Amino acid sequence: EIVLTQSPGTLSLSPGERATLSCRASQTVNNRYLAWYVQKPGQAPRLLIYGASSRATGIPDRFSGSGSGTDFTLTISRLEPEDFALFYCQQYGSSPRSFGQGTKLEI
Amino acid sequence: EVQLVESGGGLVQPGGSLRLSCVGSGFTFSSYWMSWVRQAPGKGLEWVANIKDDGSDKNYLDSVKGRFTISRDNAKNSLYLQMNSLRAEDTAVYYCARRGDYWAFWGQGTLVTVSS
Repeated sequence: EIVLTQSPGTLSLSPGERATLSCRASQTVNNRYLAWYVQKPGQAPRLLIYGASSRATGIPDRFSGSGSGTDFTLTISRLEPEDFALFYCQQYGSSPRSFGQGTKLEI
Repeated sequence: EVQLVESGGGLVQPGGSLRLSCVGSGFTFSSYWMSWVRQAPGKGLEWVANIKDDGSDKNYLDSVKGRFTISRDNAKNSLYLQMNSLRAEDTAVYYCARRGDYWAFWGQGTLVTVSS
């Protein structure tokens, strides 16, 4: 099973700043099969990025994903107030699908 | 508009059983792998099981193998999760989600609480 470790656990920033979230895998993620989600309290997760760098439908271009192998990054170029939430990475290159433990982005 | 609506959650005693359902609409249900993903209270996300579009292939998280069974009825646009021998650690919100690999569409979730 691939274990995903996200860092930092909590990231404290202000609106307008740039956020960089990391996701490190215990083994190579095949074909860059890595996704990012955002989750707000009481809501289901929302897909942001798939294939490591492809934005999902309706996701603004301030969100970008990069990386390959075992190291992946989600960057939010200029934080908006609605971006403060919980972010998860997830790999689907091998079974079982697995998630990171999450990064909380707080003001 | 794609919609997924789960039902069937509730309070069950350890060792008990529960069957979750998910009805899909707004897309061709029979063309997609489907999945169940859960989230324990205050915890992260955990994939539970997925099933191929025609039901011919199924995969499970190790900790639920032999206890949970995923199935589908494409004529009813429905996905199911039969959960037997439930444990306290199965307590979670259970989401159904479209696709078997990553998930752009999720239901609102149904809460399963295993407690005496």
